[in-house]
Amino acid sequence: AIRITQSPSSLSASTGDRVTITCRASQGISSYLAWYQQKPGKAPKLLIYAASTLQSGVPSRFSGSGSGTDFTLTISCLQSEDFATYYCQQYYSYPWTFGQGTKVEIK
Amino acid sequence: EVQLVESGGGLVQPGGSLRLSCAASGFTFSSYEMNWVRQAPGKGLEWVSYISSSGSTIYYADSVKGRFTISRDNAKNSLYLQMNSLRAEDTAVYYCARGRTLAAAGLFDYWGQGTLVTVSS
Repeated sequence: AIRITQSPSSLSASTGDRVTITCRASQGISSYLAWYQQKPGKAPKLLIYAASTLQSGVPSRFSGSGSGTDFTLTISCLQSEDFATYYCQQYYSYPWTFGQGTKVEIK
Repeated sequence: EVQLVESGGGLVQPGGSLRLSCAASGFTFSSYEMNWVRQAPGKGLEWVSYISSSGSTIYYADSVKGRFTISRDNAKNSLYLQMNSLRAEDTAVYYCARGRTLAAAGLFDYWGQGTLVTVSS
């Protein structure tokens, strides 16, 4: 199975900050990487797929980049509603696997 | 509007069985791949099982292979997960999730609200 290493596991930031989360795959996955946002008690929500394509309705302050093994999620100007846990996930090959998650907390 | 509504969770003893259901609406269910994904309390996400739109192709995570069975009824717009020989480590919220396309069946574009399964004596 492809292992996905996500970092950091948590971070503290203020509204308006630029935030970056990274994921590294144990082998090349082309651009078959997605990012999800999950708020407490809620289901995950798809933010980005194909490494850099924004899902419909997702604000443009979210962006993704990377291919092969190294990927990045950037939130350009953190808003109050962005405090949540973020997961990356590879869908290049079964079994589909997730990163461990990054909790974005208020500083 | 796409909706996925899970049901069937609850408290079960180790070694017991439970059947989860997911009712789909707002899209042509028979055209989409479907999945189950779980999340243990306070932990991350774990993909559990996949079924193709016709039901002809099925995958399982190693952690549930031989114990869980995924199925679907396209006439009823419903997805199921039969869970047998349950263990404490199966305790989790179980989500049904739609695969975005056939080429990206492991990309989950819509999720249900989840149903909690607790395995404990």
